[in-house]
Amino acid sequence: AQSVTQLDSQVPVFEEAPVELRCNYSSSVSVYLFWYVQYPNQGLQLLLKYLSGSTLVKGINGFEAEFNKSQTSFHLRKPSVHISDTAEYFCAVTRGGATNKLIFGTGTLLAVQP
Amino acid sequence: EAQVTQNPRYLITVTGKKLTVTCSQNMNHEYMSWYRQDPGLGLRQIYYSMNVEVTDKGDVPEGYKVSRKEKRNFPLILESPSPNQTSLYFCASSLGRVNTEAFFGQGTRLTVV
Repeated sequence: AQSVTQLDSQVPVFEEAPVELRCNYSSSVSVYLFWYVQYPNQGLQLLLKYLSGSTLVKGINGFEAEFNKSQTSFHLRKPSVHISDTAEYFCAVTRGGATNKLIFGTGTLLAVQP
Repeated sequence: EAQVTQNPRYLITVTGKKLTVTCSQNMNHEYMSWYRQDPGLGLRQIYYSMNVEVTDKGDVPEGYKVSRKEKRNFPLILESPSPNQTSLYFCASSLGRVNTEAFFGQGTRLTVV
């Protein structure tokens, strides 16, 4: 069975500082990996995805993530955060296929302070 | 504009009173799903549908029903809501097996008293 672990439930950071949100997954088969962002009172929006190819994936709003198969990780990074990045971030994994089910982590609240 | 639309956004109801949350997508997507989001648990899949008249249970289906009579619509039905179904619900759709990016609705916050 697949699972996703986001160890940090909350990450406080000052504006313009770099940030890394951690995500580890477990799966015995190849997977597709995603990061979604949820702004207050809104639905989830795709930040970036890894399907295949280059392990460094660039997404919207200056975010990027690196797929590391040996460490089964897909950490999200941004070199300089803004107040507007304050949101909850979800890592998710799917095998695709018939069910197309996304398995989500528990989320990380990124709290950017001035 | 491509979107997934859920209604209502907010709903307060009483235990046992049947309710339906509607979901509609305008992207001609085959796959649609319902998730519930609870603090500390992330999002968990309730039901999914691979196409019209094809639905199946997700991880937490108890107390819910769905139907898929048209490709664009995927309503979530709570026949007899209970307080433990108080949650934030999301509908999602995606194109198909080879493109697994999911598009989410704005969410429905349900409170059952």
